[in-house]
Amino acid sequence: EVQLVETGGGLIQPGGSLRLSCAASGFTVSSNYMSWVRQAPGKGLEWVSVIYSGGSTYYADSVKGRFTISRDNSKNTLYLQMNSLRAEDTAVYYCARIGDHLYIDYWGQGTLVTVSS
Amino acid sequence: EIVMMQSPATLSVSPGERATLSCRASQSVSSNLAWYQQKPGQAPRLLIYGASTRATGIPARFSGSGSGTEFTLTISSLQSEDFAVYYCQQYNNWPLTFGGGTKVEIK
Repeated sequence: EVQLVETGGGLIQPGGSLRLSCAASGFTVSSNYMSWVRQAPGKGLEWVSVIYSGGSTYYADSVKGRFTISRDNSKNTLYLQMNSLRAEDTAVYYCARIGDHLYIDYWGQGTLVTVSS
Repeated sequence: EIVMMQSPATLSVSPGERATLSCRASQSVSSNLAWYQQKPGQAPRLLIYGASTRATGIPARFSGSGSGTEFTLTISSLQSEDFAVYYCQQYNNWPLTFGGGTKVEIK
């Protein structure tokens, strides 16, 4: 059974840093495209970043230069390093597996990041 | 970036009735369109991919249609567990983009 479990969210001051983790089971992270998608309170879904199975990474313009996606193959875990956080980064962050044809087939339960002083 | 627009924003439907949700893309996405269902406090769940293929375990009352720029999600007979927010998403081009969602509420 595919499972994605995010951890690492919390309250952080503007300008601070946070690292989110997504522990995967039931499949191999490095064999799949993996993404982070976020949802601000009461708002819709926004794609944040992707890491390809080959290791290439891409980011939404809103986080480019501040966020870094990575994975640890030995731990079968995906990460999102978030630096220079802003109030507008406040959201639930979902880890997501991208299926063979680029739709998202599995989602984690999400972890809430609140950026506030 | 491809902009996805959903209508209506809110749809009030009685249980047992049919619901029709629309999604429009700002340029062609071929059939690279997915639909997700999200209930309060939960993660989205994949319903439809390839514009019309039901994901594993999705009931037959959910159906998708369309290609290019116009898409429809139909729920043939609404059950109590279907009241939720529905999002469309294109995966034809990066970045992946989502519509703003349609909330299906009880009339």
